[in-house]
Amino acid sequence: GQNIDQPTEMTATEGAIVQINCTYQTSGFNGLFWYQQHAGEAPTFLSYNVLDGLEEKGRFSSFLSRSKGYSYLLLKELQMKDSASYLCASRFDSNYQLIWGAGTKLIIKP
Amino acid sequence: DAGITQSPRHKVTETGTPVTLRCHQTENHRYMYWYRQDPGHGLRLIHYSYGVKDTDKGEVSDGYSVSRSKTEDFLLTLESATSSQTSVYFCATAGKSRASSYEQYFGPGTRLTVT
Repeated sequence: GQNIDQPTEMTATEGAIVQINCTYQTSGFNGLFWYQQHAGEAPTFLSYNVLDGLEEKGRFSSFLSRSKGYSYLLLKELQMKDSASYLCASRFDSNYQLIWGAGTKLIIKP
Repeated sequence: DAGITQSPRHKVTETGTPVTLRCHQTENHRYMYWYRQDPGHGLRLIHYSYGVKDTDKGEVSDGYSVSRSKTEDFLLTLESATSSQTSVYFCATAGKSRASSYEQYFGPGTRLTVT
């Protein structure tokens, strides 16, 4: 199968920077998505990468290396409201389904 | 965000009863999805639709059926609910976007408890 792996939980300090990694199998890869999910709420779309490199959107950036099957989400100037789960998902081949990682729970401490 | 609503938002039902969850979208998106989310498993695809009357199974489709008679609505039916189907159910939609990314947008979720 096509597994998506990401750490289960991470802790960071308010104001700091945190990097959340995601690895996937490269065969048939066709796009990588990051979502944010606050407890008790629905996931919300953060970013999409299909080409190698870094995409920056304000305090959040997402990086992709297609050859390594690797992505990361970088969160800068962390705020307490960034405490959430971050879901990595990948699309394979030409279909419109996504394969989801189990999510990384990010805990922000003052 | 896509205008996606789900009903009901909460439901408690007894084992063996049929249950139907409704997803309604106002974005004219072609693709619609039903997921369940359980602790430790992330999002798991139950069924999806790629057009009116066009549906296919996901990885956890046993015990579930779907129907899509019009673009806006995607129904998920549990034919005979079991306790293992206690979960949070999310509907999502995707349509052609500027970046051709077809990112998925989620409804608010339905919390289903089967007793």
